[in-house]
Amino acid sequence: KAGVTQTPRYLIKTRGQQVTLSCSPISGHRSVSWYQQTPGQGLQFLFEYFSETQRNKGNFPGRFSGRQFSNSRSEMNVSTLELGDSALYLCASSLAQGVQPQHFGDGTRLSIL
Amino acid sequence: DAKTTQPPSMDCAEGRAANLPCNHSTISGNEYVYWYRQIHSQGPQYIIHGLKNNETNEMASLIITEDRKSSTLILPHATLRDTAVYYCIVFGSSNTGKLIFGQGTTLQVKP
Repeated sequence: KAGVTQTPRYLIKTRGQQVTLSCSPISGHRSVSWYQQTPGQGLQFLFEYFSETQRNKGNFPGRFSGRQFSNSRSEMNVSTLELGDSALYLCASSLAQGVQPQHFGDGTRLSIL
Repeated sequence: DAKTTQPPSMDCAEGRAANLPCNHSTISGNEYVYWYRQIHSQGPQYIIHGLKNNETNEMASLIITEDRKSSTLILPHATLRDTAVYYCIVFGSSNTGKLIFGQGTTLQVKP
């Protein structure tokens, strides 16, 4: 069974640009969560989607947004990129909402120049 | 803020059991204890979770104290590939998909 797939694996952007990251969950999984990992702040929750609806959101500015499609695939978008947005962005999927194990992809490494 | 406390680092000899402790004194009755690990440059890997009974799977065992205020993750025969950061997380239905990661324990398995 294929795991969570994130594309691209690496991305370099400049300040002010926008970026879209993609996540394909494990087959049959309907919930997708996104996290940001930086050396200073560690792993922080961005948002969670279930049935194409955002169910929970972390403490990030509105420049960070996401969506989920009917096939459970998800994308996150960051607009007006700042140097501080350089991070590893991780996607995790689980069967459903509630207390279900989340399974992570290997992330997209975003570097802002 | 994370609801768990873990030692920042531990060492273990290859082939020996690694026992990783976690304190979660404010855990609620409907919250589970989850363990993940992250090997360098990879995403976190789910290991095991439990509510109040001890749990075992092919990767590890989870021992939860009777008062549920602490737990121990046991890797029975540690290998060099078990070197990673281990995260203990308290997770309940009220979290709505939000795992709160602390700083974790860096486990170094030595030959």
